[in-house]
Amino acid sequence: NAGVTQTPKFRILKIGQSMTLQCTQDMNHNYMYWYRQDPGMGLKLIYYSVGAGITDKGEVPNGYNVSRSTTEDFPLRLELAAPSQTSVYFCASRFRDRGRFNEQFFGPGTRLTVL
Amino acid sequence: LAKTTQPISMDSYEGQEVNITCSHNNIATNDYITWYQQFPSQGPRFIIQGYKTKVTNEVASLFIPADRKSSTLSLPRVSLSDTAVYYCLVGGTYNTDKLIFGTGTRLQVFP
Repeated sequence: NAGVTQTPKFRILKIGQSMTLQCTQDMNHNYMYWYRQDPGMGLKLIYYSVGAGITDKGEVPNGYNVSRSTTEDFPLRLELAAPSQTSVYFCASRFRDRGRFNEQFFGPGTRLTVL
Repeated sequence: LAKTTQPISMDSYEGQEVNITCSHNNIATNDYITWYQQFPSQGPRFIIQGYKTKVTNEVASLFIPADRKSSTLSLPRVSLSDTAVYYCLVGGTYNTDKLIFGTGTRLQVFP
């Protein structure tokens, strides 16, 4: 299993441009998450999904959009990029069942700079 | 989702035992306590999880008192490679869809 994969690894955007950060997991996890991490800071939840076709806002959703058309993929869309969106973006997934509280698996991250 | 409070940073020397405490006063009956480790430029990774009393694995131990309002991650004989940020997360099987991380504890290990 590759686990959680993210593309691209690095990206530089100009102000006002848009892009999609890709996230794919091959563990058949039902839950997926997007976090951002600013330099020296903790993780902030942007959006999450509890299954295909279902998404919900996290702590800092403004300026982002998501979709979940398949179990495996959870892309994050940035529209009209702003310098405040310069950050490292992490995707995570986990399997939610009734038996235990399963841990999250994180991808390697995408480092985004908006100039 | 229970709010967690951890020390912002801790320093230690190689070979010492490090204990990082997390407070979670409003933990719910069904909540588990999970700890993650994050190295620079990497995503967090799972270290250990517990519900009550003590849990031990090859990496760490987790101590949870009877009232479960706090927990302590114990790292035995740390090395330089244990320098990382450690996050405590509280959530349950029935009531947690959002998973929000706290600020974490930045552990610096010196030679």
